Amino acid sequence: DAKTTQPNSMESNEEEPVHLPCNHSTISGTDYIHWYRQLPSQGPEYVIHGLTSNVNNRMASLAIAEDRKSSTLILHRATLRDAAVYYCILRPFSGTYKYIFGTGTRLKVLA
Amino acid sequence: EAGVVQSPRYKIIEKKQPVAFWCNPISGHNTLYWYLQNLGQGPELLIRYENEEAVDDSQLPKDRFSAERLKGVDSTLKIQPAELGDSAVYLCASSLDPGPNTEAFFGQGTRLTVV
Repeated sequence: DAKTTQPNSMESNEEEPVHLPCNHSTISGTDYIHWYRQLPSQGPEYVIHGLTSNVNNRMASLAIAEDRKSSTLILHRATLRDAAVYYCILRPFSGTYKYIFGTGTRLKVLA
Repeated sequence: EAGVVQSPRYKIIEKKQPVAFWCNPISGHNTLYWYLQNLGQGPELLIRYENEEAVDDSQLPKDRFSAERLKGVDSTLKIQPAELGDSAVYLCASSLDPGPNTEAFFGQGTRLTVV
């Protein structure tokens, strides 16, 4: 299973954009890139996913490098409610269909 | 629409006692997952169901853990007997299908404390 690498923690000021990086140098051509986040005492929550093209939704944007070996989750205006652990996950097109979570990036938002 | 519902939210038991967790997935979701999450770690898959069939249970400690998904809807996860090391959060998730272009929805989890 392809692995992802994320920084352990990041800080951001409230109402400023946040760029959360993820490296996945062993990604295969059919792996989808998913992002989930986990607020304290909650289960993981879906944020966004993509394959090759950049993606936008109401929560965030996903920027995928041209070689697909890295991606960036962009929160356009961080709020205190965005403080969470963010997980970058690769989902293969076949096989076990596991969601393999790493330790994620703990985002702290400063008021 | 209700999301994935798990119960109980919290459970404290003595070691060697049995315990069971219940999960009601989102209506129409064929795929159901049980995950275990230790403190400070990401969730780890225990078992995945496609309808009522367990298609990936390679990470389930079968000597003490068991799971079932009757009629392909609700699911229960059981531990018997519980050990101190089983203290963790047990998460249930569901999705329409297991494919990579599908999002999964997680419940709030059951926090188990074994004393």
